[in-house]
Amino acid sequence: DQQVKQNSPSLSVQEGRISILNCDYTNSMFDYFLWYKKYPAEGPTFLISISSIKDKNEDGRFTVFLNKSAKHLSLHIVPSQPGDSAVYFCAASALGTYKYIFGTGTRLKVLA
Amino acid sequence: GAGVSQTPSNKVTEKGKYVELRCDPISGHTALYWYRQSLGQGPEFLIYFQGTGAADDSGLPNDRFFAVRPEGSVSTLKIQRTERGDSAVYLCASSSRGGGGTGELFFGEGSRLTVL
Repeated sequence: DQQVKQNSPSLSVQEGRISILNCDYTNSMFDYFLWYKKYPAEGPTFLISISSIKDKNEDGRFTVFLNKSAKHLSLHIVPSQPGDSAVYFCAASALGTYKYIFGTGTRLKVLA
Repeated sequence: GAGVSQTPSNKVTEKGKYVELRCDPISGHTALYWYRQSLGQGPEFLIYFQGTGAADDSGLPNDRFFAVRPEGSVSTLKIQRTERGDSAVYLCASSSRGGGGTGELFFGEGSRLTVL
């Protein structure tokens, strides 16, 4: 039972263009969402988060959008840079819990 | 230390052997998590500690897996009678707060376990 889904295993984008990574969830109790980036042989590093009381959160080149009715969130990276090439995971948790459920990841490749 | 430290970084063992994986969290972080990541998959929750106690061990796949955190800091994940299916990267993470929606997890680089 995959509660957090990232249906695109990979994505290629030209440098300078926008990268859009998508994530869907099934559990309506989820109310906090995070995005992580992972380089090979390293642990995941935190990028950005969003609470369900918001529909957008922005941090520099990274913006996360949340559509609660569709149970969908997306991460926008603009402009994309070659150093953004990595695997991106979305994760979710429910209020009052401590367990973060991760998606399967999307491998982003930014072409120079 | 500055970040979450995991040892060993790589462990190769034979089927049926016992393995211990160690995690040293960020100083002062009360919450500690173990996740397992198989090839092509996202991190899979195993167990969560708040202080010394295992608040939730529902992700441990079976009774061959056990984890401790006796002094509320360093944690050890123990795997008995290893099987080839246990091969994965075992990730440890810590957080300054344990509740959902209250803080991000800081991950170590992981311990890659290979069971031959």
